[in-house]
Amino acid sequence: AQSVTQPDIHITVSEGASLELRCNYSYGATPYLFWYVQSPGQGLQLLLKYFSGDTLVQGIKGFEAEFKRSQSSFNLRKPSVHWSDAAEYFCAVGGFIQGAQKLVFGQGTRLTINP
Amino acid sequence: AAGVIQSPRHLIKEKRETATLKCYPIPRHDTVYWYQQGPGQDPQFLISFYEKMQSDKGSIPDRFSAQQFSDYHSELNMSSLELGDSALYFCASSLAARRDPKSYEQYFGPGTRLTVT
Repeated sequence: AQSVTQPDIHITVSEGASLELRCNYSYGATPYLFWYVQSPGQGLQLLLKYFSGDTLVQGIKGFEAEFKRSQSSFNLRKPSVHWSDAAEYFCAVGGFIQGAQKLVFGQGTRLTINP
Repeated sequence: AAGVIQSPRHLIKEKRETATLKCYPIPRHDTVYWYQQGPGQDPQFLISFYEKMQSDKGSIPDRFSAQQFSDYHSELNMSSLELGDSALYFCASSLAARRDPKSYEQYFGPGTRLTVT
């Protein structure tokens, strides 16, 4: 079945440190992949997307993600985090899944930033 | 830039009551999606509309219905509310026809937090 797994429920990093959030997907065809960020009580903001082509994609707020087909992964990275990056991050795959065209989300990773 | 607008932002209802949630997509976006996010959970797809017609259906209870109007705004109607319906309801919009990859590039509104007591 098509699914998205984010192995880390909660990650804590220090401000200025580098960040990598993991995402693994299971999808039969070429996946369309996304990262969204959700601040407490807020909506989902699209950080970046992968449809095809260059496997390293750049997004907003200094984030990037790399698509690795061999590992079925789409990990999110940032070289230096800021306190304002503290939020919940969701990886999603877009496709025709279970009879409907939709986004399927991972369980989310909550990012805490230590000052 | 204009974003997706949802109203109301917060709604408190009692069991067995009805609720109507409204969504105004980004201008020129013709596809609307509804998602439900329970406490501590990931968003789950409910239903979508393209050009005012129902496009796809997910895990939407029979007690819920939705439609998209001529101005492309959409309403989610929820009847016989249950405690388990308490959640954050998101609307998202995209600019593309179904099956077009761009249609997966969905932009989300701030959500409506529904509390059923």
